Amino acid sequence: EAGVVQSPRYKIIEKKQPVAFWCNPISGHNTLYWYLQNLGQGPELLIRYENEEAVDDSQLPKDRFSAERLKGVDSTLKIQPAELGDSAVYLCASSLGDGSYEQYFGPGTRLTVT
Amino acid sequence: KQEVTQIPAALSVPEGENLVLNCSFTDSAIYNLQWFRQDPGKGLTSLLLIQSSQREQTSGRLNASLDKSSGRSTLYIAASQPGDSATYLCAGVGGATNKLIFGTGTLLAVQP
Repeated sequence: EAGVVQSPRYKIIEKKQPVAFWCNPISGHNTLYWYLQNLGQGPELLIRYENEEAVDDSQLPKDRFSAERLKGVDSTLKIQPAELGDSAVYLCASSLGDGSYEQYFGPGTRLTVT
Repeated sequence: KQEVTQIPAALSVPEGENLVLNCSFTDSAIYNLQWFRQDPGKGLTSLLLIQSSQREQTSGRLNASLDKSSGRSTLYIAASQPGDSATYLCAGVGGATNKLIFGTGTLLAVQP
């Protein structure tokens, strides 16, 4: 069974440029998460989807970040415009359901903003 | 606000030793806990999941336990190997947030 797929794995952009990350969850997983991981820290939740509905986006900086999960499968996370402080690893995870279900993570996208 | 502390922050042991990693939550109302492993430049690999009705889980040389009354969890690794070298993260779901809150991890190095 394929795991969570993310692309690209690495991205280097100049500040003020837009960037987008893509995630394909494990087949059959209704819940999808986007996390931000800074160096030396644990991941922090940005947004959680139940099917195509964003049920928790309280930590998503909505002035520059946006996300979508069309048809309740793949998801895209976008930053526009990127700032130097956005340099981090962006992780996607999925699970069968919320809360008590095991989360499975993708390899992440390492973003460097110069 | 839920905060998760992992002790120690870093640990170096010789191959073959048994070791314990610790994790504690400021809000002890944890109903779901996961231990993860993260290799440098990689994503997280789930090791063990302790659900609300459970107190511990075992997988191979790994054993994780959860004391809900104190909000503490331990990960026991038996007969450590160089391949166990990685960062170990604990994360719990609890309280009103219904989201997974991570600790900052323990960096483990097992010396051959």
